[in-house]
Amino acid sequence: DAGVIQSPRHEVTEMGQEVTLRCKPISGHNSLFWYRQTMMRGLELLIYFNNNVPIDDSGMPEDRFSAKMPNASFSTLKIQPSEPRDSAVYFCASTLKRPGTGGAGSNQPQHFGDGTRLSIL
Amino acid sequence: AQSVTQLGSHVSVSEGALVLLRCNYSSSVPPYLFWYVQYPNQGLQLLLKYTTGATLVKGINGFEAEFKKSETSFHLTKPSAHMSDAAEYFCAVSEVAGGFKTIFGAGTRLFVKA
Repeated sequence: DAGVIQSPRHEVTEMGQEVTLRCKPISGHNSLFWYRQTMMRGLELLIYFNNNVPIDDSGMPEDRFSAKMPNASFSTLKIQPSEPRDSAVYFCASTLKRPGTGGAGSNQPQHFGDGTRLSIL
Repeated sequence: AQSVTQLGSHVSVSEGALVLLRCNYSSSVPPYLFWYVQYPNQGLQLLLKYTTGATLVKGINGFEAEFKKSETSFHLTKPSAHMSDAAEYFCAVSEVAGGFKTIFGAGTRLFVKA
């Protein structure tokens, strides 16, 4: 079965440019997460979606960051304009949150993509 | 609020020795607990999880973890380390009444010496 697919795997661009990261979750999963990983700050949750609706974007660092999920099989994370401090590995993860479990935390594991390594020069 | 503390950012063991990676959590309600492993240039992969039931949980690659409520711990162990176990390991907690977030620990990098 195909896992979570992220593209591109690597992105190098100059500061000020717009960057778009893409994610295709596992088919049938209804929740999607965007994380950022750096040596200094570890793994940070940026935003998560449930049934294509953003539930919590409190981890999004600035207005320069935006995320969308137009349908159940695709999500984007956009940075505009990009800055050198945005350099990191960005991960997308998905999971299945079973109906009827309310707004509670999930007992299902998250499935991660292999990440996008972003370098802003 | 839930939180996760992993004791030791780096752990080094010899091949064949016991692996013990420590994780303590803070949660106001019974948590769901997870261990993930991350190999270089890859995303996190689930090793094992505890939700309810038996407190000793077995995962992939010979790893296991025991949920100890009285100690608020979920330490990861493996009787005999293999070179291929060298990776970064993350403990995570998801609270039943904690919205939808899973909180990850800072990670422990495991080194295995020949």
